[in-house]
Parts: sequence; structure tokens; C-alpha cells
Amino acid sequence: DAKTTQPNSMESNEEEPVHLPCNHSTISGTDYIHWYRQLPSQGPEYVIHGLTSNVNNRMASLAIAEDRKSSTLILHRATLRDAAVYYCILSDSGGGADGLTFGKGTHLIIQP
Amino acid sequence: DAGVIQSPRHEVTEMGQEVTLRCKPISGHDYLFWYRQTMMRGLELLIYFNNNVPIDDSGMPEDRFSAKMPNASFSTLKIQPSEPRDSAVYFCASSLMGVFTEAFFGQGTRLTVV
Repeated sequence: DAKTTQPNSMESNEEEPVHLPCNHSTISGTDYIHWYRQLPSQGPEYVIHGLTSNVNNRMASLAIAEDRKSSTLILHRATLRDAAVYYCILSDSGGGADGLTFGKGTHLIIQP
Repeated sequence: DAGVIQSPRHEVTEMGQEVTLRCKPISGHDYLFWYRQTMMRGLELLIYFNNNVPIDDSGMPEDRFSAKMPNASFSTLKIQPSEPRDSAVYFCASSLMGVFTEAFFGQGTRLTVV
């Protein structure tokens, strides 16, 4: 499985944008990039996913590098509720496994 | 839809006892996943089903663990006999089209084996 590398933790201030980086230098052409987050004492929650183009939804934006070896999850205006562990995950859309393999993720701390 | 429903939310059992965890996926979802989360190992995929058929159980730690999906609206994860090292939070998730669509997770079952 292609692996991802994320910082262990990041800190940001409330109401400011947050850019969460993810490196995936061994990504293959059929790998999707997924982001999930896990709030304290809850199950993981889907945030966003993409293949090649940048993606936007109501929760966040996903910026994918042109060579796809890295991506950035952007929270446009962080709130205290965004404090969570954020996971960047690759999945094989080319007929491979359908389960997601979670790494250690980035623990995002939001300061009021 | 109420989302993925897991029961019980908490389970405390003695070593050697049988434990059954239950999951009701979102109606219409073809994929169901069982995960385990511990501080040491993080989130681990144990097994997943597609249209009620087990596809990949390579994450199941031992023969003590078994999972079934008798119909599209119900799955169980059974541990027999249970051991203290099985203590963890067990999550069930479902998705419409596997890796192409988002997975919805339940609230989890916190299992403590004493």
C-alpha cells in the first residue's frame, strides 16, 4: 500500500485558515486521496476526497499537487469544533482493496 | 437515515467469555467494514464485506475473531474466547461504493476485557 506522511500535530487559532499537509510520494495513478477526521470519543468522519483535481465541499478544500506526490487539506476558517485528528489516506481505485488504511494522522489543536 | 448503529456502546466482560458486537449499516450501502482502535496500534481494518460477502479478512488478528453478515442490514463481530488484549474500541462503517464513496462510521463499541 502507498503510504502517507503527516505531521504529528499542528496548532492554529480560531477563525483562521488551517493548511494540513500530507506527503504521498509513492502514490500510484489510480490512488484516491481521502481525508477523514476523528473528534474526541467519536468515530472517524469523512471530510473530502479527490483524485487529480482540487476539490471543494462545505467542510474543506483539498489541494492536490500537480505531480500528486503531496496534498493539502484546507479548513478556511477554523472553529473549536475542528479540533480533531486528521487522517490522510490513499486508496486504490484500480481494482484493489476497498478498505481504508489509517495512519497516525495529525492532531489539530485550535486555540481560542 | 439514523446512520450506522452499533451496539452495545460499552461492554465489560471477563477473560474467556464470548463477546458479540453488532452493527446495522446505512440502508442501501453495499460495503461494511469492521475496524479496531487502540492507543498502541491506531485504527486497524479487521474485515470488510461487499453485498454481505466477506472480501478481505486479512486484518482479523486470530481465529478467536469471526464476523458474519447474514443480511444487508446486520453484521456481527464475535470474539471467543476474549482476552484482555482485545480491549479496544471497535468501529463499524458502511459505504455505498467502497473506495469511491465516503465511509460512514458508527459511534463504536468500547470493549473492556478484565
